[in-house]
Amino acid sequence: EAQVTQNPRYLITVTGKKLTVTCSQNMNHEYMSWYRQDPGLGLRQIYYSMNVEVTDKGDVPEGYKVSRKEKRNFPLILESPSPNQTSLYFCASTYSGANVLTFGAGSRLTVL
Amino acid sequence: KNQVEQSPQSLIILEGKNCTLQCNYTVSPFSNLRWYKQDTGRGPVSLTIMTFSENTKSNGRYTATLDADTKQSSLHITASQLSDSASYICVVSVRGAQKLVFGQGTRLTINP
Repeated sequence: EAQVTQNPRYLITVTGKKLTVTCSQNMNHEYMSWYRQDPGLGLRQIYYSMNVEVTDKGDVPEGYKVSRKEKRNFPLILESPSPNQTSLYFCASTYSGANVLTFGAGSRLTVL
Repeated sequence: KNQVEQSPQSLIILEGKNCTLQCNYTVSPFSNLRWYKQDTGRGPVSLTIMTFSENTKSNGRYTATLDADTKQSSLHITASQLSDSASYICVVSVRGAQKLVFGQGTRLTINP
């Protein structure tokens, strides 16, 4: 089944403890992206990647890192999480030039 | 500044009734407009896509319209069902760039 898989789905952590949210897609998509969704603010783009080893900042990149060493994987790294990064995170992918995103199921992160 | 504004923020209607959700955008240059449906706790799923030359597009009980002159789109839901309860997100694509601009969404609740 064609899908975007995120892990973990739920995580509670403490301020400053590094964490990684993994994202993997099995559709051979070139483009991958991370979003956070907060009440009243909608989806906001954190980082995106046009292809392997090509990443760029979205609208709210502060406090996050990403890497794209393989086409299928696009992990989101929080080096030193803070409470304002408590949010619902979505990974998405699509073919280059297309704009219909396939979203993962979401990862709910709470930073205490 | 590229923006997408949706209204209303939330809407409650009775099962079987029709409703219309609005999306106004200032994105330029415009490529296409998509409506996504997001069930609670899940990732958004594409409902329709409309390009500059299309005025209307249907997907079952969902009908989207686009007025490129006034930069407005609407999503009309006919004979609503309980399963239509979700958030509906309007997303506009910037032509020539892999850039998407998201609206904040409309939270629709269908009551029996």
